[in-house]
Amino acid sequence: GAVVSQHPSWVICKSGTSVKIECRSLDFQATTMFWYRQFPKQSLMLMATSNEGSKATYEQGVEKDKFLINHASLTLSTLTVTSAHPEDSSFYICSAREGSYTEAFFGQGTRLTVV
Amino acid sequence: AQTVTQSQPEMSVQEAETVTLSCTYDTSESDYYLFWYKQPPSRQMILVIRQEAYKQQNATENRFSVNFQKAAKSFSLKISDSQLGDAAMYFCAYRSPPNSGNTPLVFGKGTRLSVIA
Repeated sequence: GAVVSQHPSWVICKSGTSVKIECRSLDFQATTMFWYRQFPKQSLMLMATSNEGSKATYEQGVEKDKFLINHASLTLSTLTVTSAHPEDSSFYICSAREGSYTEAFFGQGTRLTVV
Repeated sequence: AQTVTQSQPEMSVQEAETVTLSCTYDTSESDYYLFWYKQPPSRQMILVIRQEAYKQQNATENRFSVNFQKAAKSFSLKISDSQLGDAAMYFCAYRSPPNSGNTPLVFGKGTRLSVIA
């Protein structure tokens, strides 16, 4: 199956700093990327959808200025958590899809801890 | 908007036995896709099985099979000969057809499956 690589797997940062999470499709063109957030023992919550070369579409309640999403190429999307605070600590997962293909493939996730 | 409901927060099964996880969904679309994903402790999302709504035949993948009841909007997952490695969180997910755009998956809240040796 197609591979999506997400990096880093875990990161600890100080409150007030910014953190960038990368999501790469290794063997297909990710025309669409989805970013999710998952709290402990809960389901995945969609944060935003991005199409290559376009601005991301954010879900209601997600601060676009805080969670910056860039999808400038067909193999790379980044999520930057700006001015991170402890309440931003969570597990972030990306998912990528090629064209109208049925299935989307998931990265391994990033555990963010803000101290 | 579509919704997915998993009414069993936790389930347990004896090793080698069979267990069924429930999922219902709500949609006004006639064509769509349904998925079961497994999330083990590593938290990597793994696709278990997929069902196209236009297909009447239930999907099967080795020990995993589904019971797809379109009229009832039900999509249950049956795991046969359960193994210790099946212990994980299982999510049921819905996707609108590709011709409706780049729609994301809609997830249920999940069912945590424990396998007892």
